[in-house]
Amino acid sequence: EIVLTQSPGTLSLSPGERATLSCRASQSLSNTYLAWYQHRPGQAPRLLIYGASTRAIGISDRFSGSGSGTDFTLTISRLEPEDFAVYYCQQYGSSLTFGPGTKVDIK
Amino acid sequence: QVQLQESGPGLVTPSETLSLTCTVSGYSISTGYYWGWIRQPPGKGLEWIGGIYHSGNTYYNPSLRSRVTISVDTSKNQFSLKVSSVTAADTAVYYCARWSYGGFYDFDWWGQGALVTVSS
Repeated sequence: EIVLTQSPGTLSLSPGERATLSCRASQSLSNTYLAWYQHRPGQAPRLLIYGASTRAIGISDRFSGSGSGTDFTLTISRLEPEDFAVYYCQQYGSSLTFGPGTKVDIK
Repeated sequence: QVQLQESGPGLVTPSETLSLTCTVSGYSISTGYYWGWIRQPPGKGLEWIGGIYHSGNTYYNPSLRSRVTISVDTSKNQFSLKVSSVTAADTAVYYCARWSYGGFYDFDWWGQGALVTVSS
């Protein structure tokens, strides 16, 4: 099973700042089946990025994904108030797993 | 737009079977895509449970396979989850979602989630 590690666990930033979230896989994701989700309390998770770097329909261009192999990054260029949430990465290899999440909270 | 809604008992007795149904609107299950279940225990992260195609083909998380059954009813545009022999560790918010199996394997539409508590 491929294990995903996300860092940092919590990221404290102010609106307007740039957020950089990391997701590391225990084995190389040869087909780059890596997705990112935003999860606000009491709401359904929302798909942001799939295929490591493609924005989902309706997602702001403030969100961008990059990476390959074992190291992936989600960048939020300028934090808006609605961006403070928990972010999960998810991979599909031989099975499907999620990372433990990074909480982005207001500094 | 695709909408999913989970339904089922919010309280289940230990050792019994947890049952949830996901009703899909805005998209016919028979058209395509897989349909999945994901859960989130209180204070923890997301865990994939499994998924199903309209043909009935299924994939399960190996760690839950022995206790989980996912089924589909295309006539009602629904799919369902059963988890047997539940314990307190199965207490979670259960989400259903559309799964891009064979594409990029992401979940692009989600239900709001249903809290299921396992307690006597």
